Amino acid sequence: SQTIHQWPATLVQPVGSPLSLECTVEGTSNPNLYWYRQAAGRGLQLLFYSVGIGQISSEVPQNLSASRPQDRQFILSSKKLLLSDSGFYLCAWTTDGNQPQHFGDGTRLSIL
Amino acid sequence: DAKTTQPPSMDCAEGRAANLPCNHSTISGNEYVYWYRQIHSQGPQYIIHGLKNNETNEMASLIITEDRKSSTLILPHATLRDTAVYYCIVRDNYGQNFVFGPGTRLSVLP
Repeated sequence: SQTIHQWPATLVQPVGSPLSLECTVEGTSNPNLYWYRQAAGRGLQLLFYSVGIGQISSEVPQNLSASRPQDRQFILSSKKLLLSDSGFYLCAWTTDGNQPQHFGDGTRLSIL
Repeated sequence: DAKTTQPPSMDCAEGRAANLPCNHSTISGNEYVYWYRQIHSQGPQYIIHGLKNNETNEMASLIITEDRKSSTLILPHATLRDTAVYYCIVRDNYGQNFVFGPGTRLSVLP
């Protein structure tokens, strides 16, 4: 069966520090991969998605970036974090078509 | 913006059926209806999805009206662990974005 892993589960970082969040998927090949952010009490905002290795689409301008160095690995990065980057970051995967997206357990990021 | 409208909150007695409504009056012919739920501090959990026929799985049933402008998620025997925010989403085969609106906060009461 397919599984998705995100780490770390929680992270506290100072303003201006770099960020690297990792997401990996097991049990499937060539998935579509997604990064979402959820602010407290709000819905999910799509940040990036990828349909293949090295292919990244950005939905919202920001100081974050994403990379997909391997088929089942998706990384969210920042060179300098802002206070507004605080939130709950979720990775998701799906196959093509009408199949649902499946989410990881998320990373709760707090910026101090 | 979300293409769906849901009540902000609902209560349900433990052991009873929970019926969560969703309006999607602008749904187009190739858009599916998906339901997820999110328990505090966890990622959204997929529940069920459908196009126009009613669907049932081990978690829930999805009833879609004939005109497809609304649907209802049914949890047949709600438990305390079903307390969560439930999201109704419409999306077509080609869209990449699952747009999550505010959802319905379901409280299952003992």
